[in-house]
Amino acid sequence: KAGVTQTPRYLIKTRGQQVTLSCSPISGHRSVSWYQQTPGQGLQFLFEYFSETQRNKGNFPGRFSGRQFSNSRSEMNVSTLELGDSALYLCASSPGQGSFGNTIYFGEGSWLTVV
Amino acid sequence: DQQVKQNSPSLSVQEGRISILNCDYTNSMFDYFLWYKKYPAEGPTFLISISSIKDKNEDGRFTVFLNKSAKHLSLHIVPSQPGDSAVYFCAATAFGNEKLTFGTGTRLTIIP
Repeated sequence: KAGVTQTPRYLIKTRGQQVTLSCSPISGHRSVSWYQQTPGQGLQFLFEYFSETQRNKGNFPGRFSGRQFSNSRSEMNVSTLELGDSALYLCASSPGQGSFGNTIYFGEGSWLTVV
Repeated sequence: DQQVKQNSPSLSVQEGRISILNCDYTNSMFDYFLWYKKYPAEGPTFLISISSIKDKNEDGRFTVFLNKSAKHLSLHIVPSQPGDSAVYFCAATAFGNEKLTFGTGTRLTIIP
């Protein structure tokens, strides 16, 4: 069974630009969550999409947005990039209905560097 | 406001001995707790979980203990092996909720 696929794996952007990251969940999974990992901050929840609707949202500014398509693939977008947005962005896939911990799978992440 | 805290950024343990990783939480709404293991350049992988209706859960070499009154949980690894060297994240949620609140992680190094 294919795992969670995130693209691109690595990217470098300039301050002020915008970036779009993509996540393909495990087949049959309907929930996709996004997390940001920075040194010393652990993983911080950005948002969760289920059946194309945002179901949960973390405490990030409006520059961070996302969407989910009918095939459950998800994208997240960060506009007007700041240096502090440099981080590992992780996508998590789960069936989405009362998931247990062992049914939440993470992708390998997209490393974003803002210069 | 860090609702899940892992106060030890790093821990070194001799191979074969017990590794104990600790985690504290503040939000009383959390009733389901998870441990994830992460290697560099990989996503976190699920290790073990525990519901608030239990105080202990075992899976092979891994045991998680939950002390609800102290809002504290710990992960015990016995015996520790070199392959256990990784960053361990504690996470908490309300059961059935996909939103996980993570701690900042503890880097475990197993010394051969």
